[in-house]
Amino acid sequence: AQSVTQPDIHITVSEGASLELRCNYSYGATPYLFWYVQSPGQGLQLLLKYFSGDTLVQGIKGFEAEFKRSQSSFNLRKPSVHWSDAAEYFCAVMDSSYKLIFGSGTRLLVRP
Amino acid sequence: DAGITQSPRYKITETGRQVTLMCHQTWSHSYMFWYRQDLGHGLRLIYYSAAADITDKGEVPDGYVVSRSKTENFPLTLESATRSQTSVYFCASRPRQVNTGELFFGEGSRLTVL
Repeated sequence: AQSVTQPDIHITVSEGASLELRCNYSYGATPYLFWYVQSPGQGLQLLLKYFSGDTLVQGIKGFEAEFKRSQSSFNLRKPSVHWSDAAEYFCAVMDSSYKLIFGSGTRLLVRP
Repeated sequence: DAGITQSPRYKITETGRQVTLMCHQTWSHSYMFWYRQDLGHGLRLIYYSAAADITDKGEVPDGYVVSRSKTENFPLTLESATRSQTSVYFCASRPRQVNTGELFFGEGSRLTVL
């Protein structure tokens, strides 16, 4: 069965520092992968997605993610974090029935 | 304004009562979904619907009932609420085309069962 693991429950970074959020997936075929962000009290918003092609994908708000098949990973990165990036981040994989399977999320805290 | 709206946003009920959470979308998206969000579990799929009158179970369907008589509405009913159903519920929708992939989420309904 498809699954997504986000090993970090919380991550704290200083404003202006770089960020990497980890995501590992389990899926037999070429996966469709997603990163969503959830601000407090809000629904989820799509940051970026990978379907095929270039393994480095660019998203909104300056985020990018790299698909590494050999490591079954799809880590999210940002070179310089802003205080407004504090939120919860979810990685997801589309399963064989075209439904999204979400990881348990990583909460990002930003130190001033 | 077009979008996906959930109601109520907040609900407190008692064990054993019936509760219905409403979801309405104005995009005419084919697919609609109900997820619950719990600490440590992320989002888990309760039910989904590919079109009007077509629904299917997700990962955690027990204790929930859905219907989809119209494309734009996808209500979720807890027939006899239990404390374990205290959660934040999110409705989402997407177009039929798979290559978009993106789900559009409502703002959530926070349900507390006492």
